[in-house]
Amino acid sequence: KAGVTQTPRYLIKTRGQQVTLSCSPISGHRSVSWYQQTPGQGLQFLFEYFSETQRNKGNFPGRFSGRQFSNSRSEMNVSTLELGDSALYLCASSLPGTQYFGPGTRLTVL
Amino acid sequence: AQTVTQSQPEMSVQEAETVTLSCTYDTSESDYYLFWYKQPPSRQMILVIRQEAYKQQNATENRFSVNFQKAAKSFSLKISDSQLGDAAMYFCAYRGSKGGGADGLTFGKGTHLIIQP
Repeated sequence: KAGVTQTPRYLIKTRGQQVTLSCSPISGHRSVSWYQQTPGQGLQFLFEYFSETQRNKGNFPGRFSGRQFSNSRSEMNVSTLELGDSALYLCASSLPGTQYFGPGTRLTVL
Repeated sequence: AQTVTQSQPEMSVQEAETVTLSCTYDTSESDYYLFWYKQPPSRQMILVIRQEAYKQQNATENRFSVNFQKAAKSFSLKISDSQLGDAAMYFCAYRGSKGGGADGLTFGKGTHLIIQP
């Protein structure tokens, strides 16, 4: 089976812009989670989607949003980018209990 | 809220030796999952091993094994016959089972493992 794919792999944006990241889960996986990884804060949970419904959200401002489509693909959106949003954004798809990660999208905000 | 603590920011081991990475966690749940993930310089997060809390038997995957002490809330990873390719950041992670685990994974800060040739 193909693994989790994320696009794009690298992005450079400027403050105030918005960005959309995409994640395609492993075939058959209906749950997709997003994480932010920074040197200072480590790995933090953003949100999880299951069957097009957001089941939970981490402690992030409303500028961070996401959605999931009927084919389980997911997107996350960050509006009004800030310098502190520079991070590696990881997507994971899961069967009950275990999450498998994609290669990540490296976002740089200038 | 659950917390995961990795007290060793960095560990170094000689190639072919054995190393143990420590992890402790705090939770009020009785049913949960614990994981070790490896993140090499490529930044790809790779699942190393998983443990279900209701299983008393420690999980093993080839050279990787865990020592799961539920009462002590301890979950250490032992790597036997260390290889150069084992060099990476290792993250301990917790996932509860309430609500189907919708809270996502809670990660420790990581342990940087260095393999000396």
